[in-house]
Amino acid sequence: DTGVSQNPRHKITKRGQNVTFRCDPISEHNRLYWYRQTLGQGPEFLTYFQNEAQLEKSRLLSDRFSAERPKGSFSTLEIQRTEQGDSAMYLCASSFRSGRENIQYFGAGTRLSVL
Amino acid sequence: GENVEQHPSTLSVQEGDSAVIKCTYSDSASNYFPWYKQELGKRPQLIIDIRSNVGEKKDQRIAVTLNKTAKHFSLHITETQPEDSAVYFCAAPISSNTGKLIFGQGTTLQVKP
Repeated sequence: DTGVSQNPRHKITKRGQNVTFRCDPISEHNRLYWYRQTLGQGPEFLTYFQNEAQLEKSRLLSDRFSAERPKGSFSTLEIQRTEQGDSAMYLCASSFRSGRENIQYFGAGTRLSVL
Repeated sequence: GENVEQHPSTLSVQEGDSAVIKCTYSDSASNYFPWYKQELGKRPQLIIDIRSNVGEKKDQRIAVTLNKTAKHFSLHITETQPEDSAVYFCAAPISSNTGKLIFGQGTTLQVKP
């Protein structure tokens, strides 16, 4: 197991285009989180999946953003009609909830630049 | 509201000195407090965490202390080395039973050789 994997690592797009990112969590992790990180800031929570169910979404997640986790394995985050303000690092994290344990392991992220 | 405050934003120390980073949180129900280290262009990596049933935890040169009454927790790094230079984030689960983390603003630690 090589940890949480995200691709692409970098994405450059023009304003108005749609983009999709993929996250492959650590196998058997039932919890998956998406965060967004801008320069000089800590990660900000976007959305959470437990298995295939999306159970929480931040108000930061406008209706241009959609996330899925079919079959409770990998997840995708799509941004439609991208705006320059969407430029950021998009991080995925996964964890396995067992008793009190819920340690989140992060992927290396996808850096999005909207021109 | 959902809030984790972290100080200082930057910290510069000489190699061998100690470094302390402090965080406060808003939700008294928070019960888990991780610290992540993020090097430039890399993923946040968990370096230590503490649960609400203990007041202190150590792992070699790193320790974390928790004061639940005051709702603050601190990271202590002793005998700092140049490779400790990075951005450090504290975090806590706030207003949530999903485990989502609210992160502090980060502390850029520079260890001068």
